[in-house]
Amino acid sequence: DAGITQSPRHKVTETGTPVTLRCHQTENHRYMYWYRQDPGHGLRLIHYSYGVKDTDKGEVSDGYSVSRSKTEDFLLTLESATSSQTSVYFCAISEPAGGMGVETQYFGPGTRLLVL
Amino acid sequence: DAKTTQPNSMESNEEEPVHLPCNHSTISGTDYIHWYRQLPSQGPEYVIHGLTSNVNNRMASLAIAEDRKSSTLILHRATLRDAAVYYCILRDPYGGSQGNLIFGKGTKLSVKP
Repeated sequence: DAGITQSPRHKVTETGTPVTLRCHQTENHRYMYWYRQDPGHGLRLIHYSYGVKDTDKGEVSDGYSVSRSKTEDFLLTLESATSSQTSVYFCAISEPAGGMGVETQYFGPGTRLLVL
Repeated sequence: DAKTTQPNSMESNEEEPVHLPCNHSTISGTDYIHWYRQLPSQGPEYVIHGLTSNVNNRMASLAIAEDRKSSTLILHRATLRDAAVYYCILRDPYGGSQGNLIFGKGTKLSVKP
């Protein structure tokens, strides 16, 4: 298994509070991603990172910010949590294929977030 | 990225082969076909990918139609551990947005003992 951990694994918070989720990898992979998964939906991309301090928005980025100050850590912040952000959040990593086609993404175990 | 169509659910018996179909009639010449699966309460995991030729690995086989408008993931002997949601995803490595994967709803595979 790829060395990806997410913390916390479960969190309950109240509407309006800030929340930070952490993704940590030991694989030294360049790319990192945050997805959310809701019932009846596949995974949807929130933000991604090409490298340290290099991030970009995904499909559902509103209400989320990210930071990557080190290769191994990718933080997802909900500045002011809302009930619509109740979801399961997955982090993923990959390494550029470098002309060899497409890279494989490796996923973390997920964080279950409940916003009351 | 082009869209894929998969059945919502399928059932299989343990130790029998399973063929999971995927239609992708608008696939472009540079789209790779990826399969990921998600076991209950876990993150997705890579299964296999291919471009034009059929592919085999220790987990599964991928059969790609000659016109590339459809593909089939083959599990040669289903086990209870193979019960999962299987996602068929097209990805163009030259299409920008780096390695972003677009997940649909996938096929939920149930395996009966």
